[in-house]
Amino acid sequence: DVKVTQSSRYLVKRTGEKVFLECVQDMDHENMFWYRQDPGLGLRLIYFSYDVKMKEKGDIPEGYSVSREKKERFSLILESASTNQTSMYLCASTLPTGANYGYTFGSGTRLTVV
Amino acid sequence: QQQVKQSPQSLIVQKGGISIINCAYENTAFDYFPWYQQFPGKGPALLIAIRPDVSEKKEGRFTISFNKSAKQFSLHIMDSQPGDSATYFCAASIIDYQLIWGAGTKLIIKP
Repeated sequence: DVKVTQSSRYLVKRTGEKVFLECVQDMDHENMFWYRQDPGLGLRLIYFSYDVKMKEKGDIPEGYSVSREKKERFSLILESASTNQTSMYLCASTLPTGANYGYTFGSGTRLTVV
Repeated sequence: QQQVKQSPQSLIVQKGGISIINCAYENTAFDYFPWYQQFPGKGPALLIAIRPDVSEKKEGRFTISFNKSAKQFSLHIMDSQPGDSATYFCAASIIDYQLIWGAGTKLIIKP
């Protein structure tokens, strides 16, 4: 069964900490995405990547960075965690032709910053 | 112009009833309209999708109705069951581009 795996289901971090969220897919997908999900706001795109070492800003990149050193792995980095970054984070991947083949999502990481 | 507006934000339907969720868009270049279903503790999963060359697509109890002139599309769930309780997202895209998401609808089916 093909999948997208996010390293942690729940994470609690302190304000100011550097936080790493890891995402691995086993489908050989070129495209990978990081979203955050908040009630009433839906899915908001943070960053995406169309290829190894390639990254593009999404709608809300401030306070975040990403790394894609290998095709199967896409990491989201919170440089200095703040309480307003408490959220559910979702990773997704898809084929190069993009949306029309469907996004495969991980189960999410619920991050709490205290 | 890139927005997809989804309503209602939440919906409660009796078991056996019809659940209807609506979405509207502005960008006439959109050519792919999927719906995703998300259960608690899981990521969204593709449920059903439609292209603007057809007005309706049905898969089991789930139907997408598409009105190109009104720039609206909707998801109908017939004979709604408690197992359908989930959050539903509509989305839209231009071919080969990323999805633009609606805000989501939390659907609760009462037994």
